Amino acid sequence: EIVLTQSPATLSLSPGERATLSCRASQSVSTYLAWYQQKPGQAPRLLIYDASNRATGIPARFSGSGSGTDFTLTISSLEPEDFAVYYCQQYDSSPQTFGQGTKVEIE
Amino acid sequence: QIQLVQSGAEVRKPGASVKVSCKTSGYTFTDYAMHWVRQAPGQRLEWLGWINAGTGNTKFSQKFEGRLSITRDTSANTAYLDLSSLTPEDTAIYYCSRDRNGLDNWGQGTLVTVSS
Repeated sequence: EIVLTQSPATLSLSPGERATLSCRASQSVSTYLAWYQQKPGQAPRLLIYDASNRATGIPARFSGSGSGTDFTLTISSLEPEDFAVYYCQQYDSSPQTFGQGTKVEIE
Repeated sequence: QIQLVQSGAEVRKPGASVKVSCKTSGYTFTDYAMHWVRQAPGQRLEWLGWINAGTGNTKFSQKFEGRLSITRDTSANTAYLDLSSLTPEDTAIYYCSRDRNGLDNWGQGTLVTVSS
């Protein structure tokens, strides 16, 4: 099974700052990687699919990059509603797997 | 608009089974696969399996082989997850999610608690 490792575990930032989240796969997943945002008590929300494509309705401040084993989610300028937990997911091979999450918190 | 509405919370004893439903609306049910993902308290998301809603073909995580069933009723636009031989480690929120360029729409989640 492909293991996804996210870093850092927690990111403490202020509104307006840039957030850079990392996801590393234990083997290549090509570009079959998605990013999700989850807030307490809510279901996850798709942000990015195929490593770099924004999902419908997702603001342009969210961007994804990478291929193979190293991926990045960037939030260019944090808005108050962006403070949440972010997960990466690979769907290159079964079982599909998720990273352990990065919590973006207000500093 | 697209909606996935799941059945309510369940409490089961160890060894029992549970069936969770996911009723969809706002899109053509048979055009997309449906996945099931769970999240135990404080844990990462865990993928269980998926069903091609058109053909009924399924694929499961090997971890759950033999005790997981995913089915669908096309006349009711509803997908089902059936998990048997429950243990306390199966206590989690279970989500259904539509597969379209990633998991783009999710149900609200169903809490399944396994406790003696």
